[in-house]
This record gives sequence, C-alpha cells and structure tokens, in this order.
Amino acid sequence: AQSVTQLGSHVSVSEGALVLLRCNYSSSVPPYLFWYVQYPNQGLQLLLKYTTGATLVKGINGFEAEFKKSETSFHLTKPSAHMSDAAEYFCAVSRGTSYGKLTFGQGTILTVHP
Amino acid sequence: DAGVIQSPRHEVTEMGQEVTLRCKPISGHDYLFWYRQTMMRGLELLIYFNNNVPIDDSGMPEDRFSAKMPNASFSTLKIQPSEPRDSAVYFCASSLVTREQYFGPGTRLTVT
Repeated sequence: AQSVTQLGSHVSVSEGALVLLRCNYSSSVPPYLFWYVQYPNQGLQLLLKYTTGATLVKGINGFEAEFKKSETSFHLTKPSAHMSDAAEYFCAVSRGTSYGKLTFGQGTILTVHP
Repeated sequence: DAGVIQSPRHEVTEMGQEVTLRCKPISGHDYLFWYRQTMMRGLELLIYFNNNVPIDDSGMPEDRFSAKMPNASFSTLKIQPSEPRDSAVYFCASSLVTREQYFGPGTRLTVT
C-alpha cells in the first residue's frame, strides 16, 4: 500500500525567501506524484504532477518539485515566496502508474511574513 | 467549463437528521471521488466511482453513509442519521482516467 509523509505541519517563511515543503512517499510500485494547494474555504487545486520522464517538474505560480526515486521524495520548492502563496499544501501519491485512487499527506500550512 | 459543482456549500443540521450532499462532475469525466476533510484526520477518500459504478467504498466510515451515482452528471452522498462527529468539509472531485483530479469547492457540514 502507498503512503505519504509531509514533514512539518506548519512552515513559515519571509516574503522573498525560499519555500521548501517536504514530502516522502512509500509505494510498492512506481507511482504518480502530485502537489495540490488549498486556499482558505476553497477546494484543492493541482500545482504540479510527476508521471514519467523528466524528474524535475514545473507547476503553476512558480513552484517546482523534483522526483528522487532513491530518496523516495518529492519536495516542493519556490525560489521566492509571495504573500499570495500562503495556503495549505498537500502531497499525494497514486496507486501505481494511474490517476485513480490517491493517498494524500496530512498537509503543510505555509505562512508568509512580510 | 464550470468545474465540479457541489451543493449546498454550507449545511447545518441537527443530530439524527438525514443529510444529502450533491455533486455534478465535469462533463466527460469518468471518475468521481468523495472525500472528507477534518482537522483530526485530514483528507480521507470515502468512495469513488468509475463510469457510475462504485469501485472502492472502503473509506465509508459506517452504514450511516451511502453514495450513489445514478448517471454520469450527478452523484449524492447521504448520511442517515447524522451525528456531530460527521461535521467536516466534504469534497467531490472528478477526473478522466488519464488525467488528474479536479476538486469542487466543498460542502461544509455542521451537525449540532
């Protein structure tokens, strides 16, 4: 069975600083990996995904993530935080190479200080 | 496209009452998912459908919960009878078999 661990339920950064949100997964087969963002009182919105091919994937709003199979990690980064990035971020893993059932991490709340 | 539509957006009900949450997936999508989000348990998958057929309902907490998808454009999640511990935000999401899931805005349920 697959699982996801997000390290740090809360991350706080200053505006303009690097954003790093950590995600480690376990899966018995190569998975698809996703990052979603949730703004207050809204549904989840896809930031980026890894399926096959290039291990560094770019998403919306300047975010990117790198799939590292040896480390079973899929950390999310953004070089320079903006106030509008404040939200909750969820890492998710599929069951095998499919878009079907996903397992989500517990989420990381990102706070951006002026 | 209008995206995934959920109704109502907010629901307040008394313990013991029946609650019905509704979802309209994105047209053409063949998967539909129901999730529940709480502070304590995070985001949990309750059930999902493929081509209107329930595939996995292992996340449904108990018999008080039921879900149906009578056609490709409509699904319901029913709780009968409701209890205070059912208070949560319920999300519906839809997808194509080869694409990522798109989430609706959610229904915030409060059971008093």
